[in-house]
Amino acid sequence: DTGVSQDPRHKITKRGQNVTFRCDPISEHNRLYWYRQTLGQGPEFLTYFQNEAQLEKSRLLSDRFSAERPKGSFSTLEIQRTEQGDSAMYLCASSFPQGYGGSYEQYFGPGTRLTVT
Amino acid sequence: SQQGEEDPQALSIQEGENATMNCSYKTSINNLQWYRQNSGRGLVHLILIRSNEREKHSGRLRVTLDTSKKSSSLLITASRAADTASYFCATDGDSNYQLIWGAGTKLIIKP
Repeated sequence: DTGVSQDPRHKITKRGQNVTFRCDPISEHNRLYWYRQTLGQGPEFLTYFQNEAQLEKSRLLSDRFSAERPKGSFSTLEIQRTEQGDSAMYLCASSFPQGYGGSYEQYFGPGTRLTVT
Repeated sequence: SQQGEEDPQALSIQEGENATMNCSYKTSINNLQWYRQNSGRGLVHLILIRSNEREKHSGRLRVTLDTSKKSSSLLITASRAADTASYFCATDGDSNYQLIWGAGTKLIIKP
């Protein structure tokens, strides 16, 4: 257990429905990341928050995707009008700056597996 | 697009043997990280090596980095059944937050 939790762990939805996932990072971490992972591939970056500010969004994130991190604590990722291609594992990670340049060690949650039927 | 590519894609060895996995990347980096993923524990950070470091150790893990060849290797010594997992390298390119991942090496340790 890394200390990052995600809810729900599994979600099955019908095409066209909206879904929302929640991530609770490690409380001291001010950085929060969302990734998507499909079978046999590494995670793909979706978006990143520093505190409550969303600083970067991947081109992968269409207008159907939106993420929030109110008050710089937990985060939600919403997918509107889901499509079968959205089926994947959605991973959340958090990190804390360690005082030097470059990337930081990220702590991942268990993920939410989305199946769109 | 994927920055890192792990090699081999799959590796099966006997328990007790050493396992070596390689990672190649395309752009300059600040840091390179290795992670492990198995079904039981999700993605777990193993080791971070900075661009000005050449080698780093953590327990049974040894990571090397050759920035001139844009490559890294992960060596796991005295492998155990619990090491069965997929191993990913992740690089940050010119970013200090966005990690770009390879497709991973699937390691199977046979008892």
